[in-house]
Amino acid sequence: QQQVKQSPQSLIVQKGGIPIINCAYENTAFDYFPWYQQFPGKGPALLIAIRPDVSEKKEGRFTISFNKSAKQFSLHIMDSQPGDSATYFCAARFGGSSNTGKLIFGQGTTLQVKP
Amino acid sequence: DGGITQSPKYLFRKEGQNVTLSCEQNLNHDAMYWYRQDPGQGLRLIYYSQIVNDFQKGDIAEGYSVSREKKESFPLTVTSAQKNPTAFYLCASSGPSRGNYEQYFGAGTRLSVL
Repeated sequence: QQQVKQSPQSLIVQKGGIPIINCAYENTAFDYFPWYQQFPGKGPALLIAIRPDVSEKKEGRFTISFNKSAKQFSLHIMDSQPGDSATYFCAARFGGSSNTGKLIFGQGTTLQVKP
Repeated sequence: DGGITQSPKYLFRKEGQNVTLSCEQNLNHDAMYWYRQDPGQGLRLIYYSQIVNDFQKGDIAEGYSVSREKKESFPLTVTSAQKNPTAFYLCASSGPSRGNYEQYFGAGTRLSVL
């Protein structure tokens, strides 16, 4: 119930393609869903985040789609560039009275964008 | 320059030795976290602290210990009881503890066993 399942584990696209990374969860107590981007040897950096009362959020070339009834959310990267090659993590946070601020992370997706 | 500083960047542990990883933040955040990252397993929570002098175990606390004597600092000790310590360790902070959702990460410490 505390898991966040992320797929695929790895993804290769051509420059300009639209990679899509999917995450699924079971616990309806989650109330905040961030995506992090991590380059090799570096710490993750917050990319974009969404709350479950919103079905889509866009920031630049990055879009989160959220399906509350299916308990799924996904990250789309428009016009992908080689510089987007990194590992991407989805995460979820418990809300309400159980809110401790801690995040549950997916397993990560390694994205390679070929020139 | 606000942020989270982890040191050292690389650390080597001998058999039976305890080692301590440093994490300092100047973001005035209340909450701090330690994660362990292994290939293909995402980030797993070791310990977290929402306030000074208080901390809770995460999902994989065995073989680790922490202290939170100052708001800015949250050191992690990898004890000799942790039999498989080789991993990338990440420290994060967020604040105020329940008002701000975002976690900010340090650059990490890579720990290896000699």
